[in-house]
Amino acid sequence: EIVLTQSPGTLSLSPGERATLSCRASQSIRSSYLAWYQQKPGQAPRLLIYGASSRATGIPDRFSGSGSGTDFTLTISRLEPEDFAVYYCQQYGSSPKTFGQGTKLEIK
Amino acid sequence: QLQLQESGPGLVKPSETLSLTCTVSGGSISSTNYYWGWIRQPPKKGLEWIGSMYYSGTTFYNPSLKSRVTISVDTSKNQFSLKLRSVTAADTAVYYCGREDLTGTTGYWGQGTLVTVSS
Repeated sequence: EIVLTQSPGTLSLSPGERATLSCRASQSIRSSYLAWYQQKPGQAPRLLIYGASSRATGIPDRFSGSGSGTDFTLTISRLEPEDFAVYYCQQYGSSPKTFGQGTKLEIK
Repeated sequence: QLQLQESGPGLVKPSETLSLTCTVSGGSISSTNYYWGWIRQPPKKGLEWIGSMYYSGTTFYNPSLKSRVTISVDTSKNQFSLKLRSVTAADTAVYYCGREDLTGTTGYWGQGTLVTVSS
């Protein structure tokens, strides 16, 4: 099973700032099958990024993903108030699909 | 607009079977382009993939739960179901159903339903 480790656990930033979230895998992820999800309190997760760098339908271009192999990054270029949430990475290249433990992005 | 809705008991006794159904509207569960799956989230914790199935009945399960899980589909009702046997308090979680594309990401989610395991 591939273990995903996200860092930092909590990130405190202000609206307008740039956010950089990391996801490291215990082994190389096949075909960059790495996704990012956003979850707000009381809501289901929402798919943001798939294939490490492709934005899902309707996702603003301030969200971008990068990386390959074992190291992946989600960048939010200019934080909007609605971006403060918990973010999870997920690998879906190997079974079982696994998620990171999450990074909480909070308002500073 | 595709919608998924989980339904089932919110309270299950230890050692019994958790049973949930996901009703799909706005799209066909018989589509050849998607899998249908379940993911859970214990209170204040992260996400765990439980398993997925194709409309034809092919299933994929998380090995950590495989001995206790069955996912099945009822194409006539446009529904799919989750059964988790021999539950313990560790199975208390919000259970989400979702539609997965063929590569494995979950693009559509139900709102989730909290299932508590307690006597």
